[in-house]
Amino acid sequence: QVQLVQSGAEVKKPGTSIKVSCTTSGYSFSSSDINWVRQAPGQGLEWVGWMKPSGITGYAQSLQDRVTMTRDASSGTAYLELRSLKSEDTAIYYCAKGSDRGPHFDYWGQGTLVIVSS
Amino acid sequence: SYELTQPPSVSVSPGQTATITCSGDKLGDKYSCWYQQKPGQSPVPVIYRDSRRPSGIPERFSGSNSGNTATLTISETQAVDEADYYCQVWDNSAVIFGGGTKLTVL
Repeated sequence: QVQLVQSGAEVKKPGTSIKVSCTTSGYSFSSSDINWVRQAPGQGLEWVGWMKPSGITGYAQSLQDRVTMTRDASSGTAYLELRSLKSEDTAIYYCAKGSDRGPHFDYWGQGTLVIVSS
Repeated sequence: SYELTQPPSVSVSPGQTATITCSGDKLGDKYSCWYQQKPGQSPVPVIYRDSRRPSGIPERFSGSNSGNTATLTISETQAVDEADYYCQVWDNSAVIFGGGTKLTVL
């Protein structure tokens, strides 16, 4: 079955960086987009960006100066790096697989809690 | 930038029909989808391409999209359907989420 397993929770200080991983299995990693979505405590979903199998990326305008998405096809793992962390980056970060049946996300990781605090 | 508007909350009695709307400019020209999120869990798609149900989603979930409004309808609502619901579209290669609607079954 399709699975997306994310790295564990992290606590970071403002101004530092974080790299979250999303290890996939159960499908062809090279045939689907990976998207990242975040959710601040008690808030709604916010799209962070996407990465196509080709490596082409698209980022939310509000984050594009601080975010980088990469992938390692050999291990089926996608990565999200966010730099110059701010307290407002505190959120659960989800990776999500793009569906081949329509422009939606059919499988999601369990989420990674990132806390930014001094 | 494109925006989607959802009511913050909707209440429904068990067995009744719940209707959750999502509004955006010419939304009917885009494919909409809906996610259900329960506390402490990751979102789960319940409707995609406006009206299609993923496998495993009960038939009581249905969707439509026309004009400026997409609608998620839950027939014969059950207590297990209590959750947050988010609509989502793509616009100019970016993903847009609605603000979410908390569905209360009481």
